[in-house]
Amino acid sequence: GAVVSQHPSWVICKSGTSVKIECRSLDFQATTMFWYRQFPKQSLMLMATSNEGSKATYEQGVEKDKFLINHASLTLSTLTVTSAHPEDSSFYICSASPSGTGVDEKLFFGSGTQLSVL
Amino acid sequence: QKEVEQNSGPLSVPEGAIASLNCTYSDRVSQSFFWYRQYSGKSPELIMSIYSNGDKEDGRFTAQLNKASQYVSLLIRDSQPSDSATYLCAGSQPGRRALTFGSGTRLQVQP
Repeated sequence: GAVVSQHPSWVICKSGTSVKIECRSLDFQATTMFWYRQFPKQSLMLMATSNEGSKATYEQGVEKDKFLINHASLTLSTLTVTSAHPEDSSFYICSASPSGTGVDEKLFFGSGTQLSVL
Repeated sequence: QKEVEQNSGPLSVPEGAIASLNCTYSDRVSQSFFWYRQYSGKSPELIMSIYSNGDKEDGRFTAQLNKASQYVSLLIRDSQPSDSATYLCAGSQPGRRALTFGSGTRLQVQP
């Protein structure tokens, strides 16, 4: 199956700093990628839809100025958590599906990034 | 009503038994359905997808979809301890690729 690479796997940072997470589709092009967040023992919650060459679409309640998304190429989307605070500590996961596939096609997930803000 | 609902479990079954995982969904989530397995600290991995009413089998796994009852299930035959994980049910809305996930059911297979 298609491979989605996510980096870093885990990061620890001080409160107030910014953290960038990368999501790459290794063997396919993805015009759309999705960013999810998962708190302990909870399900994945969609944060935003990343669109190549245009602005991301954020879900209700997600601050676009805090979670900056850039999708500059067909294989790379980045999520930057700006001025991180302890409540931002979570497991962040990206996903993508090959461009041109129908809406019923499966999504492939990155390995996730565990963010801990001290 | 949540868009995708699952019993959190844990569901405990003995090794070799059939594990039955259930999921219900709302009218908003009606396009396609997926079952993912997630080990602790890892990202979800796809087990099955199902789009039409009826059963779909793949090895030890069978997914069942009943659109009239808004119900989707996953059966795992000959359960193994390595099947112990959280199983996430997910659905998509018409016209959207993003998935909506249930809260997951934790499965424990006892050796």
